[in-house]
Amino acid sequence: KNQVEQSPQSLIILEGKNCTLQCNYTVSPFSNLRWYKQDTGRGPVSLTIMTFSENTKSNGRYTATLDADTKQSSLHITASQLSDSASYICVVSDRGSTLGRLYFGRGTQLTVWP
Amino acid sequence: EADIYQTPRYLVIGTGKKITLECSQTMGHDKMYWYQQDPGMELHLIHYSYGVNSTEKGDLSSESTVSRIRTEHFPLTLESARPSHTSQYLCASSVNTGDEQYFGPGTRLTVT
Repeated sequence: KNQVEQSPQSLIILEGKNCTLQCNYTVSPFSNLRWYKQDTGRGPVSLTIMTFSENTKSNGRYTATLDADTKQSSLHITASQLSDSASYICVVSDRGSTLGRLYFGRGTQLTVWP
Repeated sequence: EADIYQTPRYLVIGTGKKITLECSQTMGHDKMYWYQQDPGMELHLIHYSYGVNSTEKGDLSSESTVSRIRTEHFPLTLESARPSHTSQYLCASSVNTGDEQYFGPGTRLTVT
């Protein structure tokens, strides 16, 4: 069964600290993996996309990693800011269907305190 | 920020009422999607469209219906709302299937 599991479910950190969010997936055949940020009451916004051959990709203070062998990804946030408070969703796409099926994790709710 | 819009943003309505949630995008995307999201849970695909006059049901069974008469417009209709329909509804679009999906801000629906 194709699944995406994220951990931790929630996380509280102080402003300026770093944190790492985890994503494990069983989706096969794998096409790509995206991390989305969803602010409260808003739709998700894409942060990064990683394909099978990519190990690391950065977008400002966000750095995503992918280990396609172990089917794990992480999102590292550096020098956190209050505006980083949001839900971070891991989304994996398969290439075995014409729809390009997306599998969503439940997200990690990050809260940054001043 | 993506040019995809949803109205209303919030809706509180009584049981049995008919409602239509609007979704429009100005990016010219052929592919459009409707998702349902409950708090702390993953997004579930309820409808999608490959283009004009194309509509398909998603993975999560839904009593709602959709139409796609124009490329930019993908409304979702509930003929008779029930409390079990209380949820957040997110509309999205993409250039091709498997590409990045651009999401609207969502409609928070509460059925009393």
